[in-house]
Amino acid sequence: EVQLVESGGGLVQPGRSLRLSCAASGFTFDDYSMHWVRQAPGKGLEWVSGINWNSGKIGYADSVKGRFTISRDNAKNSLYLQMNSLRTEDTALYYCAKGHVTTVTTSYFDSWGQGTLVTVSP
Amino acid sequence: DIQMTQSPSSLSASVGDRVTITCRASQSISSYLNWYQQKPGKAPNLLIFAASSLQGGVPSRFSGSGFGTDFTLTISSLQPQDFATYYCQQSYSTLSLTFGGGTKVEIK
Repeated sequence: EVQLVESGGGLVQPGRSLRLSCAASGFTFDDYSMHWVRQAPGKGLEWVSGINWNSGKIGYADSVKGRFTISRDNAKNSLYLQMNSLRTEDTALYYCAKGHVTTVTTSYFDSWGQGTLVTVSP
Repeated sequence: DIQMTQSPSSLSASVGDRVTITCRASQSISSYLNWYQQKPGKAPNLLIFAASSLQGGVPSRFSGSGFGTDFTLTISSLQPQDFATYYCQQSYSTLSLTFGGGTKVEIK
């Protein structure tokens, strides 16, 4: 059974940094792309970033480009999101999601974690 | 970036009704269109991929259609457990995946 468990969320002031982690199990981690998707309170889903199987291709939403960095450690079956220069509008539940293929492009999300909440507030 | 527009943003329907939700892409995305269901307090769940392929374990009352820019999700006979929010997502754009704004299906 696929399991994705996010951690690292919390309350942080604007301008500060936070690093999210996602621990994966139940599948061959380095066979698939991985993604971060967020959902602001009461709002819809927003794809944040995706990384292909070997970290060779990475994509970001325009809203986080230049501030967030996605990475993965295939030896540890883990996905990360380094979030710098946080803004109040980054407040959201951040989901880790598994792509169905090795690539970011063409990928849909066939497994999701339960999310970790990031609150950016003075 | 490719913009995805869903309509309606919400709808009220009764158990047994046929429900149709539409999703329009700002440019052609071939069949790279996927649908998710999200219930309150839960993570999204994949329903349909590649416009019309049913994900394993999803009831056959759910179906998808469309190609290019216009897509639909149909629930043939709405069940109590189908009251939820539905999202479309395009997977065509290089290194940039986007969701529609969502459609909330409520009980009439």
